[in-house]
Amino acid sequence: DQQVKQNSPSLSVQEGRISILNCDYTNSMFDYFLWYKKYPAEGPTFLISISSIKDKNEDGRFTVFLNKSAKHLSLHIVPSQPGDSAVYFCAASDSWGKLQFGAGTQVVVTP
Amino acid sequence: DSGVTQTPKHLITATGQRVTLRCSPRSGDLSVYWYQQSLDQGLQFLIHYYNGEERAKGNILERFSAQQFPDLHSELNLSSLELGDSALYFCASSVVPAGTGVFYTFGSGTRLTVV
Repeated sequence: DQQVKQNSPSLSVQEGRISILNCDYTNSMFDYFLWYKKYPAEGPTFLISISSIKDKNEDGRFTVFLNKSAKHLSLHIVPSQPGDSAVYFCAASDSWGKLQFGAGTQVVVTP
Repeated sequence: DSGVTQTPKHLITATGQRVTLRCSPRSGDLSVYWYQQSLDQGLQFLIHYYNGEERAKGNILERFSAQQFPDLHSELNLSSLELGDSALYFCASSVVPAGTGVFYTFGSGTRLTVV
């Protein structure tokens, strides 16, 4: 049962434009949400997170928005850079600390 | 270098065989998590150990087992291997069981190919 879903397997965006990645979840008990970034041949690396008591968290070019009523979160990257080309995983944490991941979205930033 | 070390990086083995994947967590981290990433799939949680004790199990097959040793390194044992077990296996660690404000640090993974 996939409780965290990323319905877009890929996203292509022009350099300098905004990248918007979406994630939906089904378990209302999730209390923390994270985004991880993964390059080929490397493990995922933590990017940004948000607590369920907030609706927005910003870190430089990266902003995560959380809509609890819709059980939806999104990651905005502005402006997109070629180095942002990677697979982005959405993850949600339950009270036991176990992270559940989405299937990932492959982002390609073109010049 | 994330500080989480996984060995080997690549492993090719035949069906029916048994392999052991090893993970050394980041210094000071007590929690170790194992994840499987199959082709075109997300990271599937397998198992979590905290300070030597099993804390949670996910979609881990009975043919798979794991343990965390007193020095906190962990091993994932995969037996009676099938072609479908071919995947990337990631280990992650955290200081305490991850939750609000605590996130995992991942190793670079072991790519298992069963032929």
